[in-house]
Amino acid sequence: QVQLQQWGAGLLKPSETLSLTCAVYGGSFSGYCWSWIRQPPGEGLEWIGEINHSGSTNYNPSLKSRVTISIDTSRNQFSLKLTSVTAADTAIYYCARGGVTGAFGIWGQGTMVTVSS
Amino acid sequence: DIQMTQSPSTLSAFVGDRVTITCRASQSINSWLAWYQQRPGKAPKLLIYKASSLESGVPSRFSGSGSGTEFTLTISSLQPDDFATYYCQQYNSHSITFGQGTRLEI
Repeated sequence: QVQLQQWGAGLLKPSETLSLTCAVYGGSFSGYCWSWIRQPPGEGLEWIGEINHSGSTNYNPSLKSRVTISIDTSRNQFSLKLTSVTAADTAIYYCARGGVTGAFGIWGQGTMVTVSS
Repeated sequence: DIQMTQSPSTLSAFVGDRVTITCRASQSINSWLAWYQQRPGKAPKLLIYKASSLESGVPSRFSGSGSGTEFTLTISSLQPDDFATYYCQQYNSHSITFGQGTRLEI
Protein backbone atom coordinates (compact mmCIF):
# COMPACT_ATOMS: atom_id res chain seq x y z
CA GLN A 1 0.00 0.00 0.00
CA VAL A 2 1.47 3.30 -1.12
CA GLN A 3 1.95 5.93 1.56
CA LEU A 4 3.26 9.48 1.40
CA GLN A 5 5.09 10.96 4.35
CA GLN A 6 6.05 14.62 4.31
CA TRP A 7 8.13 16.91 6.45
CA GLY A 8 9.64 20.37 6.60
CA ALA A 9 9.88 23.56 8.61
CA GLY A 10 6.58 24.74 10.05
CA LEU A 11 7.42 28.32 10.98
CA LEU A 12 9.01 30.83 8.64
CA LYS A 13 9.66 34.54 8.61
CA PRO A 14 8.62 36.72 5.67
CA SER A 15 11.06 36.57 2.74
CA GLU A 16 12.40 33.14 3.75
CA THR A 17 12.19 30.02 1.61
CA LEU A 18 9.68 27.28 2.34
CA SER A 19 11.13 23.81 1.92
CA LEU A 20 9.16 20.56 2.16
CA THR A 21 9.94 16.97 1.21
CA CYS A 22 7.61 14.05 0.55
CA ALA A 23 8.73 10.41 0.63
CA VAL A 24 6.92 7.65 -1.23
CA TYR A 25 6.72 4.30 0.52
CA GLY A 26 5.43 1.06 -0.93
CA GLY A 27 5.27 2.07 -4.56
CA SER A 28 7.05 3.21 -7.69
CA PHE A 29 7.64 6.72 -8.97
CA SER A 30 7.11 5.69 -12.56
CA GLY A 31 3.83 6.35 -14.29
CA TYR A 32 2.60 9.02 -11.90
CA CYS A 33 2.74 12.75 -11.40
CA TRP A 34 3.62 14.01 -7.94
CA SER A 35 2.00 17.22 -6.81
CA TRP A 36 2.01 19.77 -4.05
CA ILE A 37 -1.30 21.30 -3.00
CA ARG A 38 -1.99 23.83 -0.27
CA GLN A 39 -4.94 24.96 1.80
CA PRO A 40 -4.97 28.21 3.78
CA PRO A 41 -6.75 27.95 7.13
CA GLY A 42 -10.49 27.74 6.59
CA GLU A 43 -10.17 28.04 2.81
CA GLY A 44 -10.16 25.83 -0.26
CA LEU A 45 -7.49 23.86 -2.10
CA GLU A 46 -4.87 25.34 -4.40
CA TRP A 47 -2.67 23.27 -6.66
CA ILE A 48 0.96 24.42 -6.58
CA GLY A 49 2.59 22.20 -9.18
CA GLU A 50 3.63 18.72 -10.22
CA ILE A 51 6.62 16.68 -11.33
CA ASN A 52 6.83 13.31 -13.06
CA HIS A 53 9.42 10.58 -12.64
CA SER A 54 11.47 12.05 -15.49
CA GLY A 55 11.67 15.40 -13.76
CA SER A 56 9.29 17.30 -16.04
CA THR A 57 7.37 19.96 -14.14
CA ASN A 58 4.19 22.01 -14.42
CA TYR A 59 3.40 24.89 -12.09
CA ASN A 60 0.43 27.00 -11.15
CA PRO A 61 0.94 30.21 -13.15
CA SER A 62 0.15 32.32 -10.08
CA LEU A 63 3.10 30.80 -8.17
CA LYS A 64 5.43 29.84 -10.99
CA SER A 65 7.99 32.58 -10.38
CA ARG A 66 8.60 31.39 -6.80
CA VAL A 67 8.19 27.61 -7.01
CA THR A 68 10.61 24.80 -7.69
CA ILE A 69 9.62 21.14 -7.47
CA SER A 70 12.37 18.56 -7.71
CA ILE A 71 12.63 14.79 -7.53
CA ASP A 72 15.13 12.30 -6.16
CA THR A 73 14.27 8.94 -7.66
CA SER A 74 17.07 7.19 -5.78
CA ARG A 75 15.34 8.04 -2.51
CA ASN A 76 11.75 7.97 -3.79
CA GLN A 77 11.30 11.56 -2.69
CA PHE A 78 10.15 14.82 -4.19
CA SER A 79 10.48 18.30 -2.78
CA LEU A 80 8.95 21.76 -2.85
CA LYS A 81 10.71 25.08 -2.54
CA LEU A 82 8.75 28.33 -2.40
CA THR A 83 10.81 31.48 -2.19
CA SER A 84 10.07 34.90 -0.69
CA VAL A 85 7.19 33.73 1.45
CA THR A 86 4.65 36.12 2.96
CA ALA A 87 1.75 35.70 5.36
CA ALA A 88 -0.40 34.80 2.34
CA ASP A 89 1.60 31.57 2.02
CA THR A 90 0.43 30.38 5.44
CA ALA A 91 -1.36 27.12 4.77
CA ILE A 92 -1.45 23.37 5.19
CA TYR A 93 0.74 21.94 2.45
CA TYR A 94 -0.03 18.48 1.08
CA CYS A 95 1.90 16.22 -1.23
CA ALA A 96 -0.21 13.95 -3.42
CA ARG A 97 0.03 11.33 -6.16
CA GLY A 98 -1.78 12.00 -9.39
CA GLY A 99 -2.56 9.29 -11.90
CA VAL A 100 -3.26 9.33 -15.62
CA THR A 101 -6.78 10.57 -14.90
CA GLY A 102 -5.40 13.63 -13.14
CA ALA A 103 -7.06 12.71 -9.87
CA PHE A 104 -5.20 12.58 -6.58
CA GLY A 105 -5.77 9.17 -5.05
CA ILE A 106 -3.10 9.30 -2.37
CA TRP A 107 -2.23 12.22 -0.09
CA GLY A 108 0.37 12.97 2.51
CA GLN A 109 -0.64 13.85 6.03
CA GLY A 110 -0.21 17.58 5.50
CA THR A 111 2.24 20.06 7.00
CA MET A 112 1.07 23.32 8.55
CA VAL A 113 3.37 26.15 7.50
CA THR A 114 3.00 29.50 9.22
CA VAL A 115 4.69 32.65 7.96
CA SER A 116 5.00 35.25 10.68
CA SER A 117 7.50 37.85 11.76
CA ASP B 1 -6.77 29.19 -16.16
CA ILE B 2 -9.91 27.10 -16.08
CA GLN B 3 -12.23 28.28 -13.30
CA MET B 4 -14.36 25.78 -11.41
CA THR B 5 -17.55 26.99 -9.75
CA GLN B 6 -19.39 24.80 -7.27
CA SER B 7 -22.94 25.25 -6.09
CA PRO B 8 -24.24 25.51 -3.54
CA SER B 9 -21.51 26.73 -1.19
CA THR B 10 -23.38 25.29 1.77
CA LEU B 11 -26.02 22.59 1.78
CA SER B 12 -28.17 21.61 4.74
CA ALA B 13 -29.63 18.13 4.71
CA PHE B 14 -30.73 15.20 6.85
CA VAL B 15 -29.58 11.63 7.17
CA GLY B 16 -31.26 9.64 4.42
CA ASP B 17 -31.63 12.58 2.02
CA ARG B 18 -30.53 12.49 -1.59
CA VAL B 19 -28.27 15.45 -2.37
CA THR B 20 -26.63 16.81 -5.49
CA ILE B 21 -23.67 19.17 -5.80
CA THR B 22 -22.92 20.89 -9.09
CA CYS B 23 -19.58 21.92 -10.54
CA ARG B 24 -19.23 24.07 -13.65
CA ALA B 25 -16.05 24.62 -15.63
CA SER B 26 -15.29 27.87 -17.45
CA GLN B 27 -14.42 25.84 -20.56
CA SER B 28 -14.74 22.24 -21.64
CA ILE B 29 -12.67 19.74 -19.70
CA ASN B 30 -14.18 16.65 -21.36
CA SER B 31 -14.42 14.19 -18.46
CA TRP B 32 -11.28 15.20 -16.61
CA LEU B 33 -13.05 15.88 -13.34
CA ALA B 34 -12.64 14.45 -9.86
CA TRP B 35 -14.58 14.80 -6.61
CA TYR B 36 -13.14 14.77 -3.10
CA GLN B 37 -14.51 14.63 0.41
CA GLN B 38 -12.65 16.43 3.18
CA ARG B 39 -13.38 16.08 6.86
CA PRO B 40 -12.00 18.63 9.36
CA GLY B 41 -8.32 18.16 10.06
CA LYS B 42 -7.91 15.50 7.38
CA ALA B 43 -6.51 15.34 3.88
CA PRO B 44 -9.03 15.19 1.05
CA LYS B 45 -10.22 11.75 0.01
CA LEU B 46 -10.83 10.87 -3.64
CA LEU B 47 -14.40 9.76 -4.33
CA ILE B 48 -14.88 9.98 -8.10
CA TYR B 49 -12.42 10.31 -10.99
CA LYS B 50 -12.93 10.88 -14.68
CA ALA B 51 -16.33 12.39 -13.88
CA SER B 52 -18.16 9.14 -13.14
CA SER B 53 -15.72 6.42 -12.05
CA LEU B 54 -16.02 5.39 -8.43
CA GLU B 55 -12.71 5.15 -6.59
CA SER B 56 -12.04 1.74 -5.06
CA GLY B 57 -13.47 1.40 -1.57
CA VAL B 58 -15.88 4.34 -1.88
CA PRO B 59 -19.51 3.45 -1.08
CA SER B 60 -21.83 3.10 -4.04
CA ARG B 61 -24.18 5.79 -2.69
CA PHE B 62 -21.71 8.26 -4.22
CA SER B 63 -22.01 8.81 -7.97
CA GLY B 64 -20.79 11.35 -10.47
CA SER B 65 -22.00 12.44 -13.88
CA GLY B 66 -21.43 15.03 -16.56
CA SER B 67 -18.98 16.00 -19.25
CA GLY B 68 -17.80 19.15 -20.97
CA THR B 69 -18.54 21.98 -18.56
CA GLU B 70 -21.22 20.73 -16.18
CA PHE B 71 -20.83 17.99 -13.61
CA THR B 72 -22.70 16.65 -10.60
CA LEU B 73 -21.91 14.65 -7.51
CA THR B 74 -24.88 12.80 -6.03
CA ILE B 75 -25.12 11.10 -2.66
CA SER B 76 -28.15 8.83 -2.82
CA SER B 77 -28.85 8.43 0.89
CA LEU B 78 -26.86 10.57 3.30
CA GLN B 79 -25.10 8.85 6.16
CA PRO B 80 -23.74 10.60 9.28
CA ASP B 81 -20.16 10.21 7.98
CA ASP B 82 -21.03 12.13 4.81
CA PHE B 83 -21.31 15.51 6.50
CA ALA B 84 -18.10 17.11 5.28
CA THR B 85 -16.82 19.50 2.62
CA TYR B 86 -16.74 18.41 -1.02
CA TYR B 87 -14.46 19.72 -3.76
CA CYS B 88 -14.39 19.23 -7.49
CA GLN B 89 -11.10 19.35 -9.38
CA GLN B 90 -10.31 19.58 -13.05
CA TYR B 91 -7.27 18.29 -14.87
CA ASN B 92 -6.70 19.68 -18.31
CA SER B 93 -3.40 20.05 -20.15
CA HIS B 94 -1.34 19.83 -16.96
CA SER B 95 -3.22 22.67 -15.35
CA ILE B 96 -5.21 21.82 -12.26
CA THR B 97 -7.81 23.83 -10.40
CA PHE B 98 -10.28 23.09 -7.63
CA GLY B 99 -13.76 24.35 -6.97
CA GLN B 100 -14.25 26.51 -3.90
CA GLY B 101 -15.94 23.71 -1.97
CA THR B 102 -19.43 22.77 -0.79
CA ARG B 103 -19.98 22.34 2.90
CA LEU B 104 -22.60 19.70 3.62
CA GLU B 105 -24.11 20.16 7.04
CA ILE B 106 -26.93 18.79 9.08
